[in-house]
Amino acid sequence: DAGVTQSPTHLIKTRGQHVTLRCSPISGHKSVSWYQQVLGQGPQFIFQYYEKEERGRGNFPDRFSARQFPNYSSELNVNALLLGDSALYLCASSLGTSGSTDTQYFGPGTRLTVL
Amino acid sequence: AQSVAQPEDQVNVAEGNPLTVKCTYSVSGNPYLFWYVQYPNRGLQFLLKYITGDNLVKGSYGFEAEFNKSQTSFHLKKPSALVSDSALYFCAVTRQTGTYKYIFGTGTRLKVLA
Repeated sequence: DAGVTQSPTHLIKTRGQHVTLRCSPISGHKSVSWYQQVLGQGPQFIFQYYEKEERGRGNFPDRFSARQFPNYSSELNVNALLLGDSALYLCASSLGTSGSTDTQYFGPGTRLTVL
Repeated sequence: AQSVAQPEDQVNVAEGNPLTVKCTYSVSGNPYLFWYVQYPNRGLQFLLKYITGDNLVKGSYGFEAEFNKSQTSFHLKKPSALVSDSALYFCAVTRQTGTYKYIFGTGTRLKVLA
């Protein structure tokens, strides 16, 4: 069975640009979450979507946005990139039906470097 | 507010010896606790979780964790460490109501020495 897939694997952008990261959840999973992992730290929650609706948002600026499509895949968009946005962006999928007890399964991540 | 502390940046253990990776948490209400492992240039792999019931939870690859409510701890353990267990380990917490996000600790690097 395919796990969570993310694209691209690596990305290099310059300050001020915008970026779109993509995620496909495990088949049958209806919830997708996005996390930012800065080097040397634990993942920080950005968004969670379930059935195309935003179900939670972390403490990130409005430059960060996301959406979920009818096939449950998701995009994370970041505008006006800053050097501090350089990180590993992780997508996680879960069934979405058991609330907080759902296990989240993570993809391999997209490494974003902002120059 | 929810929080997780992993007090050790790195844990070194000899192969074949038991290992413990520590985690303490702070959350209002009932906690739900998770352990993940991260290998270099990889995403996080789920090891185990505590939701309710038996305080000793068994997970993947021979790992287990003990939930201790009075000490607000959820330490990860394995009876006999392997060199291949060397990786970065993260503890995460969420709670019963009001949120779906995981709060992660800063991670503990486990090094198993041959």
